[in-house]
Amino acid sequence: GIQVEQSPPDLILQEGANSTLRCNFSDSVNNLQWFHQNPWGQLINLFYIPSGTKQNGRLSATTVATERYSLLYISSSQTTDSGVYFCAAVTGTASKLTFGTGTRLQVTL
Amino acid sequence: GAGVSQSPSNKVTEKGKDVELRCDPISGHTALYWYRQSLGQGLEFLIYFQGNSAPDKSGLPSDRFSAERTGGSVSTLTIQRTQQEDSAVYLCASSLVRSNTGELFFGEGSRLTVL
Repeated sequence: GIQVEQSPPDLILQEGANSTLRCNFSDSVNNLQWFHQNPWGQLINLFYIPSGTKQNGRLSATTVATERYSLLYISSSQTTDSGVYFCAAVTGTASKLTFGTGTRLQVTL
Repeated sequence: GAGVSQSPSNKVTEKGKDVELRCDPISGHTALYWYRQSLGQGLEFLIYFQGNSAPDKSGLPSDRFSAERTGGSVSTLTIQRTQQEDSAVYLCASSLVRSNTGELFFGEGSRLTVL
């Protein structure tokens, strides 16, 4: 099955800083999503982005399908951005999203 | 409903007991997924439903685990003779699209603790 790798595994930022999270995948994808898992465990949908670029407020994402990676940009980080960010992808005829191991982000004052 | 609903939100049980976890997907979503997340870990796929049938059960860890879906809506995940290693958060997700290109939406999960 597809392999999904995320980097960095851990990230500490001061409030107001910008960051880039990376997701590499081992095969062509027909579904790719970014999620934020908040400290209460809820998985929040950030982007559905199998290709191209999207923006939503301070967050944006780009997937370069031909080079098998996706990037999540967080600008002007806030303490509420803390949590774990997961990338998940599906390839071919597989039925399930395969998750990466996540990037744990801590934003400090 | 407005979102994916799961119950119970928390369940503490004794080793050897059976448990049932329920998922009510977003209205109209034909695809339903169960995942498991152990403490500090990523998400592990368990089973996928399209309508009432389960074309992919490959993630169920043992024959103590089973799931069903009725009326193309509510799903129940049953764990028989629970073991301590079954302790985890069990997450349900649903998707509108029949194929694997659909966006998944997750519920808040059921936290299972086996003593």
